Amino acid sequence: DIVMTQSPDSLALSLGERATINCKSSQNILNGSNNKICLAWYQQKPGQPPKLLIYWAYTRESGVPDRFSGSGSGTDFTLTISSLQAEDVAVYYCQQYYSIPRTFGQGTKVEIK
Amino acid sequence: EVQLLDSGGGLVQTGGSLRLSCAASGFTFSSYWMYWVRQAPGKGLVWVSRINNEGSTTSYADSVKGRFTISRDNAKNTLYLEMHSLRAEDTAVYYCAREGGYCSGERCYGGYSDYWGQGTLVVVSS
Repeated sequence: DIVMTQSPDSLALSLGERATINCKSSQNILNGSNNKICLAWYQQKPGQPPKLLIYWAYTRESGVPDRFSGSGSGTDFTLTISSLQAEDVAVYYCQQYYSIPRTFGQGTKVEIK
Repeated sequence: EVQLLDSGGGLVQTGGSLRLSCAASGFTFSSYWMYWVRQAPGKGLVWVSRINNEGSTTSYADSVKGRFTISRDNAKNTLYLEMHSLRAEDTAVYYCAREGGYCSGERCYGGYSDYWGQGTLVVVSS
């Protein structure tokens, strides 16, 4: 199974600050057929289901604010929130969909300082 | 509007059985692969199972293989998860989710979950 490891486990920042969440896959997750990275990012607020933010590592889901962006290559990926807003308080998960079983990172909790 | 409505959760004894349902609306259900994902209280997300759009191909996490069965009724726009021999460690909120992706020519690519149900809680207790 592909192991997804996120860092940090939690971070607390002031409003307007940049938040950076890292995700490392234990092996390559590049789909050689379409040359796209099989990585998604989700946001989960308390008591709610996860919400898709980013897929194919860089593509922002429709309706997601442009302060959210995905980057990375190889086995190292990043979710960036350019200017943290109060409504961004949540747990963020990365997920690989290169192979079965689909696997998630352990989650990163983002709070306001 | 895409909607996924999970139901069927509840309290069940260790070794018991339960069937979860996920009623889909707002999209052509028979065209999409579907998933079940679970989340134990206070823990992270864990993928459980996947089924193709026709219902002919399924996959399972090792932790549920042989005990859980995913199925679908495309005429009823409903996804199911039949759970047997339940254990305490199966206690979780269970979410159904739709697989997102795209097709290019005869090939389709995807695997992320673009829509999720609200979840249904399963508690396994002795």
